[in-house]
Amino acid sequence: GDSVTQMEGPVTLSEEAFLTINCTYTATGYPSLFWYVQYPGEGLQLLLKATKADDKGSNKGFEATYRKETTSFHLEKGSVQVSDSAVYFCARRGSGNTGKLIFGQGTTLQVKP
Amino acid sequence: DGGITQSPKYLFRKEGQNVTLSCEQNLNHDAMYWYRQDPGQGLRLIYYSQIVNDFQKGDIAEGYSVSREKKESFPLTVTSAQKNPTAFYLCASSMDPIKATEAFFGQGTRLTVV
Repeated sequence: GDSVTQMEGPVTLSEEAFLTINCTYTATGYPSLFWYVQYPGEGLQLLLKATKADDKGSNKGFEATYRKETTSFHLEKGSVQVSDSAVYFCARRGSGNTGKLIFGQGTTLQVKP
Repeated sequence: DGGITQSPKYLFRKEGQNVTLSCEQNLNHDAMYWYRQDPGQGLRLIYYSQIVNDFQKGDIAEGYSVSREKKESFPLTVTSAQKNPTAFYLCASSMDPIKATEAFFGQGTRLTVV
C-alpha cells in the first residue's frame, strides 16, 4: 500500500552543520509531497511542499526536491540553528480525492550550540 | 487570525468513560481530519469529513466517533471501546481536498487515561 519512509532518528548536529533527512515514498502516480515540522508540545506546521515531479519546495533555508526517478523527497538545509531542533515529518497525499495525508514516522533533530 | 483551535490542551479520562475533543476552524475550509500520534510514530488518520453532515472512517476508526453538523466544527469522541486511547490527537483542515492543497493543523490535545 501507500507508504512513506523516513530515516530513523534522532539526528544530532552541531550548529551550522549541513542537514539531510531522507524520505522515500511509494505511489502509483505522482502525489503531492510535504514536509511538516513539530516543535515540542505543539501541532504540525507546514514547512514546504512540492506538487509535481522535479518541483523544489523551499522555506526558511530548507529545501526538498521531488525526485520521481528515486521516489524521494529528501529535506536539506545548509546551516542548521539550535532553533531548528524539532521533529520533522515527511508526508504524501493519499490516493483518491480525500485530501488525507500519509506520514512517515518522523525524525527528531537536535542541534547543539 | 484564522486558524484551527483544539480544546482542551490536556485531557484525562477514567477507564470506561467517553470524552469529546473539540476542533473548530475559521478558515472556511471544506475538509477536516482527525489524526492520532503515538510516540515515535507518524500520524494515523482516524476520521475525515469533506463536507458538512458527511464523514468517513480513516485507518484506525474503531473506538472513535465524530459529527460534522457545522462547517467550522468537527468534534471527536473517544469512547470506552477504544482500548488504548492515551495519545496526542491532532485536528487538521484543508481548503479543497481534490486540488491537493496542504492541511493546516491545530495545536493538539493530549489525552491520558488515569
